[in-house]
Amino acid sequence: GQSLEQPSEVTAVEGAIVQINCTYQTSGFYGLSWYQQHDGGAPTFLSYNALDGLEETGRFSSFLSRSDSYGYLLLQELQMKDSASYFCAVRDRADYKLSFGAGTTVTVRA
Amino acid sequence: EAQVTQNPRYLITVTGKKLTVTCSQNMNHEYMSWYRQDPGLGLRQIYYSMNVEVTDKGDVPEGYKVSRKEKRNFPLILESPSPNQTSLYFCASSPAGGRSSYEQYFGPGTRLTVT
Repeated sequence: GQSLEQPSEVTAVEGAIVQINCTYQTSGFYGLSWYQQHDGGAPTFLSYNALDGLEETGRFSSFLSRSDSYGYLLLQELQMKDSASYFCAVRDRADYKLSFGAGTTVTVRA
Repeated sequence: EAQVTQNPRYLITVTGKKLTVTCSQNMNHEYMSWYRQDPGLGLRQIYYSMNVEVTDKGDVPEGYKVSRKEKRNFPLILESPSPNQTSLYFCASSPAGGRSSYEQYFGPGTRLTVT
């Protein structure tokens, strides 16, 4: 099976930087992805890491360390519209089952 | 417009009355999946399908059935709904392989209440 841990809540001010950590346990790792979900909306894809290192997409970056079973999502230059829940997800290599963390609620204050 | 559609968006039903939630995608994706979302538990995968006539159990399949007779459709069936199946349900799709397989496209969600 797979399990993922991420913090439940983070609060920060506009313009700040927030890092959301995700640790995982899986029998066959096949990649870590991140999704954003606004209240009342559907999850939307943000980024994906299959190999160690940093992937940058605009203000958002995602990092993976397979040896540590750890990754993070970095949100820079926070804006009010970044207030949302963020989920990490891992795919199992053997059967393509996808497991999500419980989510981190990010609240951006003025 | 590329999209995943679900119907109905909202449903209130009673225990034991069979129901089907439909899901359709227009992106020719091989991989389709159903999730339920409950407060504090994130998204939990119910069933997924790698292609037509190929389905597999996710983490919480009990009480649900699926079928994949056509590539674009992946209905979720609750044969005898119970109150513990009250939840927000999402359908999602993606290509089956390669980097793009990680980008799941989600439908708008179906909020189900079983009384």
